[in-house]
Amino acid sequence: SQTIHQWPATLVQPVGSPLSLECTVEGTSNPNLYWYRQAAGRGLQLLFYSVGIGQISSEVPQNLSASRPQDRQFILSSKKLLLSDSGFYLCAWSRGQTMNTEAFFGQGTRLTVV
Amino acid sequence: AQSVTQPDIHITVSEGASLELRCNYSYGATPYLFWYVQSPGQGLQLLLKYFSGDTLVQGIKGFEAEFKRSQSSFNLRKPSVHWSDAAEYFCAVVTGSARQLTFGSGTQLTVLP
Repeated sequence: SQTIHQWPATLVQPVGSPLSLECTVEGTSNPNLYWYRQAAGRGLQLLFYSVGIGQISSEVPQNLSASRPQDRQFILSSKKLLLSDSGFYLCAWSRGQTMNTEAFFGQGTRLTVV
Repeated sequence: AQSVTQPDIHITVSEGASLELRCNYSYGATPYLFWYVQSPGQGLQLLLKYFSGDTLVQGIKGFEAEFKRSQSSFNLRKPSVHWSDAAEYFCAVVTGSARQLTFGSGTQLTVLP
């Protein structure tokens, strides 16, 4: 069966510090991968998605970047965090090349920038 | 642009009462629609999905939803709510070739004993 791992679960970082959140998927190949952010009291906003290694699409211009160095690994990064980067970050995957597919979500990372 | 609207930010029901959470979408083609549930501090769990076919879909935990194209709606229902159903519920629609999702703003459900 497929599983998705996301870490760390919680993170407190000072303003201006770098960020690296990692997400890995097991039990599938060529997945579509996604990073969503959920700000306090708001819905989920798609930040990045990837349909293959090295292929990254950005939905919202911002202080963050994403990379996909391996087929089942998706990394969210920042060189210098802002207070506004605080939120709940969710990684997700769906079956690539399949139209009728749902997204499967990780447990999320709670990021607090202080 | 595609969008999803959940008009109810917060709903409170008594345990055992029926529940309906509203969802309206704006999408030009045949939509792929989902309902997800989120417990505090957790990821999202899929309740049910609609791709095509029967417009009444059954999901986990006794939930169902009905797709109504004429009303651009995909409302979630449960005949009898349990205390464990208290959570936040999100409606979503696929809005791209990579199956990326656009979510509604969510409905927070409180269940009274």
